[in-house]
Amino acid sequence: KQEVTQIPAALSVPEGENLVLNCSFTDSAIYNLQWFRQDPGKGLTSLLLIQSSQREQTSGRLNASLDKSSGRSTLYIAASQPGDSATYLCAVTGRGAQKLVFGQGTRLTINP
Amino acid sequence: GAGVSQSPSNKVTEKGKDVELRCDPISGHTALYWYRQSLGQGLEFLIYFQGNSAPDKSGLPSDRFSAERTGGSVSTLTIQRTQQEDSAVYLCASSLDWGEQFFGPGTRLTVL
Repeated sequence: KQEVTQIPAALSVPEGENLVLNCSFTDSAIYNLQWFRQDPGKGLTSLLLIQSSQREQTSGRLNASLDKSSGRSTLYIAASQPGDSATYLCAVTGRGAQKLVFGQGTRLTINP
Repeated sequence: GAGVSQSPSNKVTEKGKDVELRCDPISGHTALYWYRQSLGQGLEFLIYFQGNSAPDKSGLPSDRFSAERTGGSVSTLTIQRTQQEDSAVYLCASSLDWGEQFFGPGTRLTVL
């Protein structure tokens, strides 16, 4: 059974810092990995999708990497801003199953 | 274009009543998913539909839960004889085949 873990559970940093969020999964036979952000009381916003054959994806100040063999992904946020404050969720789909398995999320606070 | 929409946004019901939650996916998306988000359990998969294939119901917590997707588009999640432990935010997502999943804003269900 696939399990996804995100560390840390919460992170608070001053504005302008670069930061890294971590995600690990137990079964390396994934189809793709997706990073989301969730604002309080809202749905999920997709940030990046990495297919199993890819090593990284970039969107603006965000860069996500995937090391399938070690079961790890990182989300790098450059020059953080208060608007980046949210919960960030990592999720994977397995081969043969389209359903997403989610981590518990990292609650990020960027202090002005 | 329009994203995934869900209705109602909030639903308060009494224990033992039946409820129906609706999801309108992104036009043209072949796959539709239902997830549930609760404080104690995080985000968990319920059911997904892919084209004309039989749905994957492996995440439904009990036989009180059912879902259908009519005409390959709109989906309804039905919970019969609601219980207090059914209180959660129900999220719907859609994707083009095995691609990136896009989420709706969710329906917050409260069972009194």
